[in-house]
Amino acid sequence: TQLLEQSPQFLSIQEGENLTVYCNSSSVFSSLQWYRQEPGEGPVLLVTVVTGGEVKKLKRLTFQFGDARKDSSLHITAAQPGDTGLYLCAGGRGDDKIIFGKGTRLHILP
Amino acid sequence: DTGVSQNPRHKITKRGQNVTFRCDPISEHNRLYWYRQTLGQGPEFLTYFQNEAQLEKSRLLSDRFSAERPKGSFSTLEIQRTEQGDSAMYLCASSIHRDGYTFGSGTRLTVV
Repeated sequence: TQLLEQSPQFLSIQEGENLTVYCNSSSVFSSLQWYRQEPGEGPVLLVTVVTGGEVKKLKRLTFQFGDARKDSSLHITAAQPGDTGLYLCAGGRGDDKIIFGKGTRLHILP
Repeated sequence: DTGVSQNPRHKITKRGQNVTFRCDPISEHNRLYWYRQTLGQGPEFLTYFQNEAQLEKSRLLSDRFSAERPKGSFSTLEIQRTEQGDSAMYLCASSIHRDGYTFGSGTRLTVV
């Protein structure tokens, strides 16, 4: 059972465009994290959100945690080729491990 | 501190052989996690240590898999009698608290 569904699975857009990727679940999470992973490397933490409705910004990236703490979105403004990678969301439910979605593979065309 | 270190980076082994991977976490992190990632999938939880105690094991971790963290510092993951289905990237992560893991670069296992 995939607890975290990420969409779209793949996204290829031109440099300079805006995009939003989604992470959805029927379960409530106490926290949600976003990671970016490049080929042959481990995931790198981008942000953790813990409060329903919380919005965090990291330069051109905007992360939002849903009011009910069941979903999250990542919006990238003016995408650049360096944003290319696999974006993973991961949720924690109070025990000590986090569960990952399958990820959105993003490719920014120069 | 250079982050989480995993060795080896790559391992090719014949089916039926045993393999062992090592993870050196960030020194002040008391929590250590092992995940497995196959192509096109997100990382799947395998097991978790707090200090030297193994607190949780996934059902994915069959009897052929064993993990240790003998002194609450580095950890090893051993796979006995490897099968082709064990081919994957094995990721180690460490943390101080629940929110925010630091991952290593992983060990890519190929069973031939």
